[in-house]
Amino acid sequence: DTQMTQSPSSVSASVGDTVTITCRASQDVSRWLAWYQQKPGKAPKLLIFAASSLQSGVPSRFSGSGSGTEFTLTISDLQPEDFATYYCQQGNDFPITFGQGTRLDIK
Amino acid sequence: QLQLQESGPGLVRPSETLSLTCSVSHVSVSGYYWSWIRQPAGKGLEWIGRIYVSGHTKHNPALESRVTMSGDTSKNELSLTLTSVTAADTAVYYCAKVDDDSAEFDPWGRGTLVIVSA
Repeated sequence: DTQMTQSPSSVSASVGDTVTITCRASQDVSRWLAWYQQKPGKAPKLLIFAASSLQSGVPSRFSGSGSGTEFTLTISDLQPEDFATYYCQQGNDFPITFGQGTRLDIK
Repeated sequence: QLQLQESGPGLVRPSETLSLTCSVSHVSVSGYYWSWIRQPAGKGLEWIGRIYVSGHTKHNPALESRVTMSGDTSKNELSLTLTSVTAADTAVYYCAKVDDDSAEFDPWGRGTLVIVSA
């Protein structure tokens, strides 16, 4: 299985800050990498697919980059609604696997 | 707009079989890939498997011997059964549409909580 490791596991930031979350794959996943946002009691919401493509309707302050084994999600100009948990997911091979999540809290 | 809604019993006894349904609205279940994903309370996401209703399925090896996925085009529904459940199967279960090209999940249903307890 391809293991996905996110760092940090949690981060505190303030409104207006820029935050970067890293996701590392245990083997090459090319650009088959997606990012999701999940709020308490809600289903995950797709933010980024194919490593850097912004899902329709997602604000442009979200951006993704990377390929191979290292990927980043950057959230610029943090807004109050951005405080949530973020997951990466590889779609390169089976079984599909997710990172353990990064919790973004208000400082 | 595509919508998915999971439903199920809520409570299942240990060693019994969990059966869930995902009702799909505004698009046919045929011709697309769909996945089941679960999330224990306070924990991360686990992919259960993928189904192409008129074709093949793919399961997570960690669950493969206990999982069956199917689709009903007449009802436009997907189904998941998980046999011999234990407390470790307690989770919120989601169904989601899979993008053919990029293998990401969008949209997701709201999820249904299943508790395994005597």
